[in-house]
Amino acid sequence: DTTVKQNPRYKLARVGKPVNLICSQTMNHDTMYWYQKKPNQAPKLLLFYYDKILNREADTFEKFQSSRPNNSFCSLYIGSAGLEYSAMYLCASSRPWTHANTGQLYFGEGSKLTVL
Amino acid sequence: GQQVKQSSPSLTVQEGGISILNCDYENDMFDYFAWYKKYPDNSPTLLISVRSNVDKREDGRLTVFLNKSGKHFSLHITASQPEDTAVYLCAAGNTGYQNFYFGKGTSLTVIP
Repeated sequence: DTTVKQNPRYKLARVGKPVNLICSQTMNHDTMYWYQKKPNQAPKLLLFYYDKILNREADTFEKFQSSRPNNSFCSLYIGSAGLEYSAMYLCASSRPWTHANTGQLYFGEGSKLTVL
Repeated sequence: GQQVKQSSPSLTVQEGGISILNCDYENDMFDYFAWYKKYPDNSPTLLISVRSNVDKREDGRLTVFLNKSGKHFSLHITASQPEDTAVYLCAAGNTGYQNFYFGKGTSLTVIP
């Protein structure tokens, strides 16, 4: 099973309210990523976990938090949503590239967040 | 700034022709380069990837060319077919950091 699952698929939030998005995978992948995708823009890497180590991009460091309670699950947390957070949020997982593999990222279907 | 750039938002090719998709990157530390294919309403899937220790990799109709000094890589699709019509995303990263950045995508249309 190469499925990455994301919940919820659609989320409506009010400005100033928190948002929590969930991602899960059963492939025992070490690395899990979160990307933000807006129309006509490239998917933007927000953060990723390599095993238990969280790496956050410098330009989004204070805007997003994450947790990974076990290998299978990873969350993306927004403490106070603003209008600019409206986007599709894509979760992906992969094996480490030190393995003899292609380094393929497996994507979930995405969580569409609308902030009003 | 954007780490990986695809300057052409779209490309149209006649069936049987060669499709050439281009990608530029900024970070000298990137040592892993890939192309993903995306159909509407589907997630991207890996087409082909290459490490920085080679300049070229072929896989059937697909060839990736890597120009490290120019911070540029490209995907060539020979004998293009209508089923090649999709959005192609380039991606690059560093195998040590495990980070991975995507371009905006190029929409390829192959006309029968």
